[in-house]
Amino acid sequence: GEDVEQSLFLSVREGDSSVINCTYTDSSSTYLYWYKQEPGAGLQLLTYIFSNMDMKQDQRLTVLLNKKDKHLSLRIADTQTGDSAIYFCAGGGSSASKIIFGSGTRLSIRP
Amino acid sequence: DGGITQSPKYLFRKEGQNVTLSCEQNLNHDAMYWYRQDPGQGLRLIYYSQIVNDFQKGDIAEGYSVSREKKESFPLTVTSAQKNPTAFYLCASSTAGLIYNEQFFGPGTRLTVL
Repeated sequence: GEDVEQSLFLSVREGDSSVINCTYTDSSSTYLYWYKQEPGAGLQLLTYIFSNMDMKQDQRLTVLLNKKDKHLSLRIADTQTGDSAIYFCAGGGSSASKIIFGSGTRLSIRP
Repeated sequence: DGGITQSPKYLFRKEGQNVTLSCEQNLNHDAMYWYRQDPGQGLRLIYYSQIVNDFQKGDIAEGYSVSREKKESFPLTVTSAQKNPTAFYLCASSTAGLIYNEQFFGPGTRLTVL
């Protein structure tokens, strides 16, 4: 079945760049999404990329998509303590109303 | 302000009891979803509804039930048949029928079985 995989943890130094990686199996995903979850809260859409794009940049965020390898990444430049959260990669499922979420990557920032 | 709300934030249940989690949205969204979140397992889809009076099972529907009598509301009942109900439950909504499917999430309900 459809699957989205991410590593569970990432630790970076404040001010460095963070790169969170994701692989997916459903090549029919038209959109791929990155959601952010702060402690004890719901998820919030951070950014998304259309499947015919290779890259999307939005202020400190850069999304890279490699469709051949089914690999998606989120780069956060100049990582700050407020970026500490769990980041979920998600892609469209077989139905337009369903999306599949990865397991989430917990990003921690060290001084 | 438009948004999606869940109540209560924390819920404690004794084994063998049914419990209902509330989810309300005023975003005029047709589609609503229930997810379960366990540590290290991401979000798993329990049930979803694309229109009033209709809903479909997700990947882990056993031991849960839902209703969709109003567009704004999609309550989830965790029944005594659910073997391991302790988890964080998230409700979401979106505009149905679009390929771009941004989902808006509520703040979640943490259920603990005593």
